[in-house]
Amino acid sequence: DAGVIQSPRHEVTEMGQEVTLRCKPISGHDYLFWYRQTMMRGLELLIYFNNNVPIDDSGMPEDRFSAKMPNASFSTLKIQPSEPRDSAVYFCASSLLGRDEKLFFGSGTQLSVL
Amino acid sequence: GQSLEQPSEVTAVEGAIVQINCTYQTSGFYGLSWYQQHDGGAPTFLSYNALDGLEETGRFSSFLSRSDSYGYLLLQELQMKDSASYFCAVSQGGGYQKVTFGTGTKLQVIP
Repeated sequence: DAGVIQSPRHEVTEMGQEVTLRCKPISGHDYLFWYRQTMMRGLELLIYFNNNVPIDDSGMPEDRFSAKMPNASFSTLKIQPSEPRDSAVYFCASSLLGRDEKLFFGSGTQLSVL
Repeated sequence: GQSLEQPSEVTAVEGAIVQINCTYQTSGFYGLSWYQQHDGGAPTFLSYNALDGLEETGRFSSFLSRSDSYGYLLLQELQMKDSASYFCAVSQGGGYQKVTFGTGTKLQVIP
């Protein structure tokens, strides 16, 4: 398996623009997590899904953030409108929690909002 | 809610042993994990403890005390390549599992 695949690797956009981050989890994994990493706040859990259903989105900072998982092999995290304080590395991770406690992370998307 | 505390930075000498502590407060505790992250990279899994005691994997060991809400990662025979950030993470159960990370400990290994 190719592992968790995220795109794009880097995204530079202007304040107010819509940003869409994409994630393909490892085939067969039933958990998918979105994290945001900054120097100040570390790795923050934004939202996680189990079997494509959002379970907990309490970490989503504002209504400007939304996430979907339309099927078992694809998830998106959308920011609309984007702001400079959204600049961070966004990681997607997938797992078979309960059977294997490892989270497998994608390479991340480095987002810069100017 | 949940909180995890770990030191922000640790420096150790190549060949030595270093211990990185993690204390946590959470409901529905299920287990404690450790991850390594090199600069510019993604976190990678190192170990997981659900029960009290020590788990050993090569040069790395991880310990958990559920009664003390405390765990640590022990790195032996330090190598320069061990310079990285190390994160503890708690898994909360109760139907669905939620994994929350601490703020990380940046380990610098010096010659």
